[in-house]
Amino acid sequence: KAGVTQTPRYLIKTRGQQVTLSCSPISGHRSVSWYQQTPGQGLQFLFEYFSETQRNKGNFPGRFSGRQFSNSRSEMNVSTLELGDSALYLCASSLFGLAGGPTLQETQYFGPGTRLLVL
Amino acid sequence: AQSVTQPDIHITVSEGASLELRCNYSYGATPYLFWYVQSPGQGLQLLLKYFSGDTLVQGIKGFEAEFKRSQSSFNLRKPSVHWSDAAEYFCAVGITTTSGTYKYIFGTGTRLKVLA
Repeated sequence: KAGVTQTPRYLIKTRGQQVTLSCSPISGHRSVSWYQQTPGQGLQFLFEYFSETQRNKGNFPGRFSGRQFSNSRSEMNVSTLELGDSALYLCASSLFGLAGGPTLQETQYFGPGTRLLVL
Repeated sequence: AQSVTQPDIHITVSEGASLELRCNYSYGATPYLFWYVQSPGQGLQLLLKYFSGDTLVQGIKGFEAEFKRSQSSFNLRKPSVHWSDAAEYFCAVGITTTSGTYKYIFGTGTRLKVLA
């Protein structure tokens, strides 16, 4: 079974631009969560999508948005990029996601990440 | 506020030595607890998780962790470290928010270096 894939793996943008990152979950998984990872801050939760609906959201500005398609693939968009948006963006997929809490069978599987550099 | 603390940013051990990585959390109830490992250029891989029951949890790659409620800790251990264990390790908790949703909070990570 193929794992979580993220494209592109590396990206360089300049301030003010916008960027779209893509995540393809494991086949059969309906939940996709996005995280931002920066040195010293660890992983910060951005949002979670389940069946094309945003079900959970972290404390990020509205410049960060996402969507999920009917095949469960998800995209994350960041508009008006700032230097501080430079980070590794990770997505994680799971069967049913965060609703109602995890179960022993429910595990988040992470992709390799997209490293974004904003100049 | 809920938080996860990994007090050691870097740890260096010799191959074959034992390892303990510390994790403390702040949360009003008993959270769900996780340890992940991240190798360079890779995503996070789940090592083990605790939901309830036996407070000593066994994971993959020979790792184990012990939940101590009185200390709000969930330390990761391995009796004999291999060079391939060099990576960054993240502790995470799963909590229910005041709005009723569920989320993960991650620690800032501990980078493990293994000396030959």
